[in-house]
Amino acid sequence: QVQLVQSGAEVKKPGSSVKVSCKISGGNYAIGWIRQAPGQGLEWMGRIIPFAGTPSYAEKYQGRLTITADMSSSTVYMQLNSLRSDDSAVYYCARVGSTGSYLFFAYWGQGTLVSVSS
Amino acid sequence: QSALTQPRSVSGSPGQSVAISCTGTNGDVGGHDYVSWYQQHPGKVPKLIIYDVTRRPSGVPDRFSGSQSGNTASLTISGLQTDDEADYYCCSNAGSSRSVFGTGTKVTVL
Repeated sequence: QVQLVQSGAEVKKPGSSVKVSCKISGGNYAIGWIRQAPGQGLEWMGRIIPFAGTPSYAEKYQGRLTITADMSSSTVYMQLNSLRSDDSAVYYCARVGSTGSYLFFAYWGQGTLVSVSS
Repeated sequence: QSALTQPRSVSGSPGQSVAISCTGTNGDVGGHDYVSWYQQHPGKVPKLIIYDVTRRPSGVPDRFSGSQSGNTASLTISGLQTDDEADYYCCSNAGSSRSVFGTGTKVTVL
């Protein structure tokens, strides 16, 4: 059974960093990070193939986002630096499916609310 | 990478069919057969309902179907039910292991 369990809610100051974890059980496949600002749509941020270790990022997050994987604990991390108020959002990790193109998100974590406020 | 374009809202009566379009470019939707669709009820986690344009995960009713023509993909919900009222998002591979989501469509069951 595939499960993705994310770390708890965070409250951060502008300019600081946040690191959200996603513990994965059930298979070794690419993990993506998607965020959703309040009342807004889904936005793909980046992804990593844990065993390969090479992440890819959306252009708008280049230089500010780091996605890493710790195979020993089956955990993927998303760190976002230089936080701004408009980074306040629910952050999801999601695992790709194990059939077809492997380019869709079949399993999702429960989401982590990150609030950025002074 | 710009978000894929979806209508802001669509509506229909129970039992009717509705279709949601998802328009991208040759670099995303039109360049691959890798469009997926997600249903999200308020306050809930998104749920995969269509992948690789036309394929349905097990457990998803066949009332949900997907198609694609050129740079536009579509999700059709047939036999609309009250529980179908939700937000729907398309997503496409955008090359180089990147993905892009659509702007989202709110489906209202009248």
